[in-house]
Amino acid sequence: NAGVMQNPRHLVRRRGQEARLRCSPMKGHSHVYWYRQLPEEGLKFMVYLQKENIIDESGMPKERFSAEFPKEGPSILRIQQVVRGDSAAYFCASSQDGRGNGYTFGSGTRLTVV
Amino acid sequence: DAKTTQPPSMDCAEGRAANLPCNHSTISGNEYVYWYRQIHSQGPQYIIHGLKNNETNEMASLIITEDRKSSTLILPHATLRDTAVYYCIVRVAALGTASKLTFGTGTRLQVTL
Repeated sequence: NAGVMQNPRHLVRRRGQEARLRCSPMKGHSHVYWYRQLPEEGLKFMVYLQKENIIDESGMPKERFSAEFPKEGPSILRIQQVVRGDSAAYFCASSQDGRGNGYTFGSGTRLTVV
Repeated sequence: DAKTTQPPSMDCAEGRAANLPCNHSTISGNEYVYWYRQIHSQGPQYIIHGLKNNETNEMASLIITEDRKSSTLILPHATLRDTAVYYCIVRVAALGTASKLTFGTGTRLQVTL
């Protein structure tokens, strides 16, 4: 079992470009969660998805950010028109059920906006 | 989810037990105590969780006070590889929106020779 796979590990974007972060959950896990960690801060919840559905997006910025988890393929966190303040580590976690027991995190994608 | 309070940093000598405290005085009856750790910019790693009984696994022990207002994570024989930020999180283990984890600032544990 390869665990939660995130790619790319590092992503550099110029201001105004789009960033796409991918997350493949553990085998058998149908619940995906995205978190953002700004430098020297704790992780902040962004969004919780179950296959094809957004369950909780209370932590997502209202503009420029979107997430999806299609029936086939990885979950995608998309950031449009990136700004320097979007520079952070973005972590994905998956779980087998909605209770969140057995959360497993990926290694993260480090986004740098120049 | 109930708020938790942890010391910002702690030191521990290698081979000794590391005792990491956490206060959660507003915890509700259906909320669990979870511990995660984050080793230098890696993804958080689950350590242990419990409701009211003490718990032990291959990584650590969790001691929860009888009134459940505080808990202690114990790493019995700390090694240099245990140097990390340790997060105490209190949450309801239920379906749906309660599944998100609310991370505080955690305790930065430094294990030294």
